[in-house]
Amino acid sequence: GQNIDQPTEMTATEGAIVQINCTYQTSGFNGLFWYQQHAGEAPTFLSYNVLDGLEEKGRFSSFLSRSKGYSYLLLKELQMKDSASYLCAVRDGLSSGSARQLTFGSGTQLTVLP
Amino acid sequence: SQTIHQWPATLVQPVGSPLSLECTVEGTSNPNLYWYRQAAGRGLQLLFYSVGIGQISSEVPQNLSASRPQDRQFILSSKKLLLSDSGFYLCAWSVIGNGYTFGSGTRLTVV
Repeated sequence: GQNIDQPTEMTATEGAIVQINCTYQTSGFNGLFWYQQHAGEAPTFLSYNVLDGLEEKGRFSSFLSRSKGYSYLLLKELQMKDSASYLCAVRDGLSSGSARQLTFGSGTQLTVLP
Repeated sequence: SQTIHQWPATLVQPVGSPLSLECTVEGTSNPNLYWYRQAAGRGLQLLFYSVGIGQISSEVPQNLSASRPQDRQFILSSKKLLLSDSGFYLCAWSVIGNGYTFGSGTRLTVV
């Protein structure tokens, strides 16, 4: 099975940098995803890591350490619109066929203050 | 371009009534399709997934069922809704090697 942990809530100030951590214990691993979800809306894809290291995409970066079962999402130059829930999700390596499944953490609610 | 359509956006249903939520995708062939449910303030729980027409895998025993009558159509159903079926239902699709793309979701309130 999969167990994914991330903080429930975080608060940061506009213009600052925030790091959202995610730890996981899985019986198989085939990649880690980060999604952003605004209240009442569907999640939208932010980043994907399958190898160790840092992936940078504009103001957002994501890091993965497979040996430690650890990832973080780094948000720079925070804007008010970044206030949202950030979901960490792990794709298992065990499901058969092509239907790789994503298991989601409960999400981290980020509030950006002016 | 690939798009995913999900409807209705909101639904209020009495306990014991039936349910049918529909999801269709465009611009792709033979996608993997998924139904997730999200309770208030919680993460996404996988309910069903399908790798092809008529192929349904259930992740949790519950009051719901799913069907895939066509390659790009995925339907979530219930014969009799329970209060605990309330939540935000999301359809998603994926192709090999990529992540998931979600529909806009259906907010179901069972009263």
